[in-house]
Amino acid sequence: RKEVEQDPGPFNVPEGATVAFNCTYSNSASQSFFWYRQDCRKEPKLLMSVYSSGNEDGRFTAQLNRASQYISLLIRDSKLSDSATYLCVVSASGGSYIPTFGRGTSLIVHP
Amino acid sequence: DAEITQSPRHKITETGRQVTLACHQTWNHNNMFWYRQDLGHGLRLIHYSYGVQDTNKGEVSDGYSVSRSNTEDLPLTLESAASSQTSVYFCASSAGGLNTEAFFGQGTRLTVV
Repeated sequence: RKEVEQDPGPFNVPEGATVAFNCTYSNSASQSFFWYRQDCRKEPKLLMSVYSSGNEDGRFTAQLNRASQYISLLIRDSKLSDSATYLCVVSASGGSYIPTFGRGTSLIVHP
Repeated sequence: DAEITQSPRHKITETGRQVTLACHQTWNHNNMFWYRQDLGHGLRLIHYSYGVQDTNKGEVSDGYSVSRSNTEDLPLTLESAASSQTSVYFCASSAGGLNTEAFFGQGTRLTVV
């Protein structure tokens, strides 16, 4: 079983839609959680960190459920420019700060 | 501005050749990582380093080696390139610690023929 699991999609949504991505992780000792965005043929870039209390950045909301080992990302009012692959990342377990990536979820926003 | 750069951006090499991919960061980060990215597999860890003279094997380290002689650089060497090593390679660095971001280089697209 892969350490970080994501639904690969693709999620194909119209502009203005709300879309949610989920991610599960297997290492209960993990302490740091992130969502990264990767555009085609480009490097991954941090979208947002995910905190236990949940956090919001504009149209993006991230949630963490430690009990269920589950992370989510909600995108409201989708824009064409949101089309990308969204990577769930987990790290910081047992003193190891190695980012471990899910395979990514592809989002396509169409007019 | 601090950055992390990889070179070359594209490389074509022949089976059996030794190839070295460069990674240089000016963040002064202790932690550096090499990943490969392939369709259906996502980013997989090859090697990583927590500081000068420290190197560790990752999930897919066979056929690869790294060295860390200074803080800024972590070159990745393919000892004898194989077609299975055709991939996109990403280098990353981070300061370490909770909730610290990893910064990525632009990637190197390697083709082994």
